[in-house]
Amino acid sequence: SQELEQSPQSLIVQEGKNLTINCTSSKTLYGLYWYKQKYGEGLIFLMMLQKGGEEKSHEKITAKLDEKKQQSSLHITASQPSHAGIYLCGADITGANSKLTFGKGITLSVRP
Amino acid sequence: DAGVTQSPTHLIKTRGQQVTLRCSPKSGHDTVSWYQQALGQGPQFIFQYYEEEERQRGNFPDRFSGHQFPNYSSELNVNALLLGDSALYLCASRRDLTDTQYFGPGTRLTVL
Repeated sequence: SQELEQSPQSLIVQEGKNLTINCTSSKTLYGLYWYKQKYGEGLIFLMMLQKGGEEKSHEKITAKLDEKKQQSSLHITASQPSHAGIYLCGADITGANSKLTFGKGITLSVRP
Repeated sequence: DAGVTQSPTHLIKTRGQQVTLRCSPKSGHDTVSWYQQALGQGPQFIFQYYEEEERQRGNFPDRFSGHQFPNYSSELNVNALLLGDSALYLCASRRDLTDTQYFGPGTRLTVL
């Protein structure tokens, strides 16, 4: 089984709607990273969370880390077509702060 | 400030051939990691280089090897290519263990 599970697998929303996607780890999280990827391209860094209860926002995207649940959520407010893409969570689950383990990603489509 | 750069963008090889991919880290970064991303999957950690040494390695065979140069740039070499090596190869750099990993645009390798 995957060490990082992302849900849902894919999501289609109407422009202007809010949405939340999740990332759950089967192991202790020492750091959680959210990246966005356009198909076939590199990963764009969004946010990093390290402490339980930590919450960060950038423009209309907010990410939270629930350390007890070993889970992170990413919330997009008033979605726009520019938000479409693949959202990947990556985590340091070794504590060595070296490699990242990734989930499979969530494909988000935003209908105008 | 240039970000992480990779070359070439695309590459087509046949089974059994060898390939070399190149990565230049973001300015000020000294640690380079390589990831393999198969279609529809999250990136998988191959290895990480720091101070010209392989510091950590993922679950990849010895056909995958790398090198880091004194200017911190890095190469990924894959010998005896298999069809299953077809993937997007991503390079990520960071400022040792204290920083976020930033990814390059990737090299799309197709093995025929």
